[in-house]
Amino acid sequence: SQTIHQWPATLVQPVGSPLSLECTVEGTSNPNLYWYRQAAGRGLQLLFYSVGIGQISSEVPQNLSASRPQDRQFILSSKKLLLSDSGFYLCAWSAAATGRGQYFGPGTRLTVT
Amino acid sequence: GQNIDQPTEMTATEGAIVQINCTYQTSGFNGLFWYQQHAGEAPTFLSYNVLDGLEEKGRFSSFLSRSKGYSYLLLKELQMKDSASYLCAVRDGSGGSYIPTFGRGTSLIVHP
Repeated sequence: SQTIHQWPATLVQPVGSPLSLECTVEGTSNPNLYWYRQAAGRGLQLLFYSVGIGQISSEVPQNLSASRPQDRQFILSSKKLLLSDSGFYLCAWSAAATGRGQYFGPGTRLTVT
Repeated sequence: GQNIDQPTEMTATEGAIVQINCTYQTSGFNGLFWYQQHAGEAPTFLSYNVLDGLEEKGRFSSFLSRSKGYSYLLLKELQMKDSASYLCAVRDGSGGSYIPTFGRGTSLIVHP
């Protein structure tokens, strides 16, 4: 069966510090991968998605970036965090663009102070 | 893009039935999803509809009418653990990306 891992689970970082969140998927090959952010009381905002190694599409302008160095690894980064970057970050995978659904990792709760 | 609308909050009694509606506008409909999200946790997949009609899965059912741009999630025999946010998501294939767009979610409160 497929599993998706994210770490860390929680993170408190000062403004201006760098960020690296990692997501890995097991039990499937060539998944579509996604990074979402959910602010308190808000919906899910798609940040990045990837259909293959090195292929990243960005949905919103921001000071975040994403990379996919391996087939089942997706990394979210920032060089300098802003207060507005606080939120619940979720990684998800799907079997294909037109698959039956997305499956989410446990999430990382980021607080920028 | 898609415009997805669902009620912000609903309350219901344990053991009852509740229907959570979702309306959407999209130019290239390619599937509708329902997710459950407990507070502080990640969303979990509940159902997928791509054709009109009712999909039943245990206590949960999901209905779709593509011509009306309408779906509902039906929860029967409500339990306290069903208190959660329910997210409706619509996938649009007209732009070629097939990325689902999520509604803001409906917070369901089940009380004894």
